[in-house]
Amino acid sequence: DQQVKQNSPSLSVQEGRISILNCDYTNSMFDYFLWYKKYPAEGPTFLISISSIKDKNEDGRFTVFLNKSAKHLSLHIVPSQPGDSAVYFCAASRTGYALNFGKGTSLLVTP
Amino acid sequence: DAGVIQSPRHEVTEMGQEVTLRCKPISGHNSLFWYRQTMMRGLELLIYFNNNVPIDDSGMPEDRFSAKMPNASFSTLKIQPSEPRDSAVYFCASSPGRGEAFFGQGTRLTVV
Repeated sequence: DQQVKQNSPSLSVQEGRISILNCDYTNSMFDYFLWYKKYPAEGPTFLISISSIKDKNEDGRFTVFLNKSAKHLSLHIVPSQPGDSAVYFCAASRTGYALNFGKGTSLLVTP
Repeated sequence: DAGVIQSPRHEVTEMGQEVTLRCKPISGHNSLFWYRQTMMRGLELLIYFNNNVPIDDSGMPEDRFSAKMPNASFSTLKIQPSEPRDSAVYFCASSPGRGEAFFGQGTRLTVV
C-alpha cells in the first residue's frame, strides 16, 4: 500500500517560472519528510527536508511546505532552471524506520 | 568519501540464473537500505539493516530474494533463481541514522 503519493507523473514549466511539486501521505506517524532529485542513470540525491515540527524550510531556490492537517507537502522551485529538469521523489519516514518514497514526478523546465 | 558504491552497474542474465548485487556503504553509516525502482511501483524498499542487523525485510518480494550484511562495509542482495519480472534498477543507500539516506548509482538488472 502506497503511503506516500505523488499524483502528478509529470510537470512542464517555463524557465524562470515557479515549479510546484506536490506530495500526499497517509501515515500520521511520519515525522520527517524529504525531497530527492534524480537524473537518468544516477541514484537519487537529497535535495531538502523538513521536520514535522516545522511548516516551511527554505534552501536557496528550493522551499518545502508541510501541511500536517492535510497530510500534504509541496516543493517550490523559484525560479526554475533547465538544469532542474529531473525526476523528483517525495519521501517520508518516522524514527527507526526506512524512507517511504512516492513514485516520482518528472519535471521538465523549458527555455 | 567516495559515496555509496554499487557493483555491477549493469547486469544481464538469463532466467533461472543466480544474480548477486553488491554494495559498499559510506564509512560510519549504521543504516543500509536496498531499494528497487520500477515504472509501476516507483522506489520500493526491499530491506533495511541497522548496525548490520536486518530490521525490516517486509519488502523482499519472495524467497528468491535474500540479503546479507556480514560487516559494516559490505552488503549483498541475491536473487536465485532470477526471473524476467525482476528486471529493474536496484539501489543501495546508507544513512548515518536520522535524516537523509545517500544513494549509490544503482545496478540495472535485465533478466532475459
